[in-house]
Amino acid sequence: SQQGEEDPQALSIQEGENATMNCSYKTSINNLQWYRQNSGRGLVHLILIRSNEREKHSGRLRVTLDTSKKSSSLLITASRAADTASYFCATDAGGTSYGKLTFGQGTILTVHP
Amino acid sequence: NAGVMQNPRHLVRRRGQEARLRCSPMKGHSHVYWYRQLPEEGLKFMVYLQKENIIDESGMPKERFSAEFPKEGPSILRIQQVVRGDSAAYFCASSPQGTTNNEQFFGPGTRLTVL
Repeated sequence: SQQGEEDPQALSIQEGENATMNCSYKTSINNLQWYRQNSGRGLVHLILIRSNEREKHSGRLRVTLDTSKKSSSLLITASRAADTASYFCATDAGGTSYGKLTFGQGTILTVHP
Repeated sequence: NAGVMQNPRHLVRRRGQEARLRCSPMKGHSHVYWYRQLPEEGLKFMVYLQKENIIDESGMPKERFSAEFPKEGPSILRIQQVVRGDSAAYFCASSPQGTTNNEQFFGPGTRLTVL
């Protein structure tokens, strides 16, 4: 079964607006990470939030984690056309998982200039 | 410090041929993960290796797929007798430690097309 599922599947906004993407997961985790993937390219790590953290910021990014609801959100403030990409959440179960990640299906974000 | 290198970037094979995908981790990293991304989907874990050891291959198909990470040289993902369903993007990631709470650094991927 799919561990991480992003919502919405696609999001289209205007430059300057905020973009919010959500991720739900099923099993317990040690941390949750967000990645960005530009079309046809590799993944870029954005932010890692540990299971004992509730919120984390990095520049224009804000990530929240609610382990009781098994969900996370990624907020991009004051979006730019360059933010257009696919965004994936990935969970790390910890323990003997050796750091392997379980990815969601992703949210395709389009920011119109 | 060069990032994770993967080659080739694009690979075209006919059904029944072999595909070899190479991954050079970042300098100082001895832990490599391989993931597969099918069209319009997220990445799926395949295998985790340390130098000369396969640690977790729970995501690897039982047949036709193999992986290695020799003492010297890149990690290799090998697909024998490829079929059209193997067409996907294959990403490797490296990490300084194979433990939780460590960022993984991804390569640009190899896009395999099976004709």
